[in-house]
Amino acid sequence: QVQLVESGGGVVQSGRSLRLSCAASGFHFSTYGMHWVRQAPGKGLEWLAVIWFDGSMEYYADSVRGRFTISRDNSKNMVWLQMSSLTAEDTAVYYCVRAGCGGGRCSDLREYQREYWGQGSLVTVSS
Amino acid sequence: DIQMTQSPSSLSASVGDRITITCRASQSITKYLNWYQLKSGKAPKLLIYAASTLQSGVPSRFSGSGSGTEFTLTINSLQPEDFAAYYCQQTYGTLYTFGQGTKLDI
Repeated sequence: QVQLVESGGGVVQSGRSLRLSCAASGFHFSTYGMHWVRQAPGKGLEWLAVIWFDGSMEYYADSVRGRFTISRDNSKNMVWLQMSSLTAEDTAVYYCVRAGCGGGRCSDLREYQREYWGQGSLVTVSS
Repeated sequence: DIQMTQSPSSLSASVGDRITITCRASQSITKYLNWYQLKSGKAPKLLIYAASTLQSGVPSRFSGSGSGTEFTLTINSLQPEDFAAYYCQQTYGTLYTFGQGTKLDI
């Protein structure tokens, strides 16, 4: 069955960097785009970044562009989120999400039923 | 970027009630709209995709409608397990965005 397991979260000091990992299994990883989404304590969901199925394209939310980098290795079924210059506002649960298709807007709306979320990894930025 | 405006931000209801949540997009997103349910300590659950299609396993008391810029999520006959937070998300733009969320409580 589909599994997405995030790791790498924890407590980090403000201004430092952290890399989150997401290990995928149970599906043909190299055909799906992958997203990262977060939820800060008491706040709503925030979409952060997407990487295309083949790693050819990456897009970021304005709030993290230039500080966060998404990457993947299809030979290892892994996706990462490298986070730098962290502040208290980055404290959140970070979710790895399988897209419904290869990346971007799916050509067939029915593909969105394939979307799948990991259980999340908590990142706490301390001052 | 496409902005999503969701209302209300909170809602009080009772078991058995019917409630409606609205989501408005800053430009047409045709039917590229998902609805999620979020409960504390759990990953978000996809309820509805393509604006009105129920995800497999989701009870039929949930329904979605709309296209273009105006969308609604309706829950008929609220059950105790429905008290949670709900979010819309557009998947039309390259940068996906969520609404601000609606907290549904008793």
